[in-house]
Amino acid sequence: DTGVSQDPRHKITKRGQNVTFRCDPISEHNRLYWYRQTLGQGPEFLTYFQNEAQLEKSRLLSDRFSAERPKGSFSTLEIQRTEQGDSAMYLCASSLVTQANMNTEAFFGQGTRLTVV
Amino acid sequence: AQSVSQHNHHVILSEAASLELGCNYSYGGTVNLFWYVQYPGQHLQLLLKYFSGDPLVKGIKGFEAEFIKSKFSFNLRKPSVQWSDTAEYFCAVNANNQGGKLIFGQGTELSVKP
Repeated sequence: DTGVSQDPRHKITKRGQNVTFRCDPISEHNRLYWYRQTLGQGPEFLTYFQNEAQLEKSRLLSDRFSAERPKGSFSTLEIQRTEQGDSAMYLCASSLVTQANMNTEAFFGQGTRLTVV
Repeated sequence: AQSVSQHNHHVILSEAASLELGCNYSYGGTVNLFWYVQYPGQHLQLLLKYFSGDPLVKGIKGFEAEFIKSKFSFNLRKPSVQWSDTAEYFCAVNANNQGGKLIFGQGTELSVKP
């Protein structure tokens, strides 16, 4: 499967623990996005990368959240000192944007479902 | 701030019925518009997209959507739904100068009765 892959698919953690999620985008896609989706809502933008540079962070991304894309390929999203309100589906998406084609679609992974107990 | 509103949270139809899901957005500039579908247990998949040109766009599985700029709308339609169309449908917008990030509506759950 050459789509966007996320690991793990499910994570249950105790409140106060740290968790880290991984996203592998489609090969050669230069943009990578993180979204969060709670029950009954659409995905909400968290942050995005152009290659290894993090270009935008949402206000939703508190200081307990950090994302990296060190080599411009895979990305990690870490949540420190998890809270019950962090329980959600965390989605990763990627796209290829070029000077010749600035308008492209994003391809989504299956997400990591986080449950904080 | 940009926002996307989907009018219906849950729609229930019988097979062969016609479908129209409403989507309105708020943004004054140039936008790209999308409909994504999420089948049970699966990831978000693109149904169709509008970037420019003909405001009536056709997507996969017989879906189409019409961009009406004056109404800030991008409604999704299908003339005859099937049981396999049961899924959640999300309308999304991105502005041309917003780095490709998507603003999603809250989603519409479609249930099609066989």
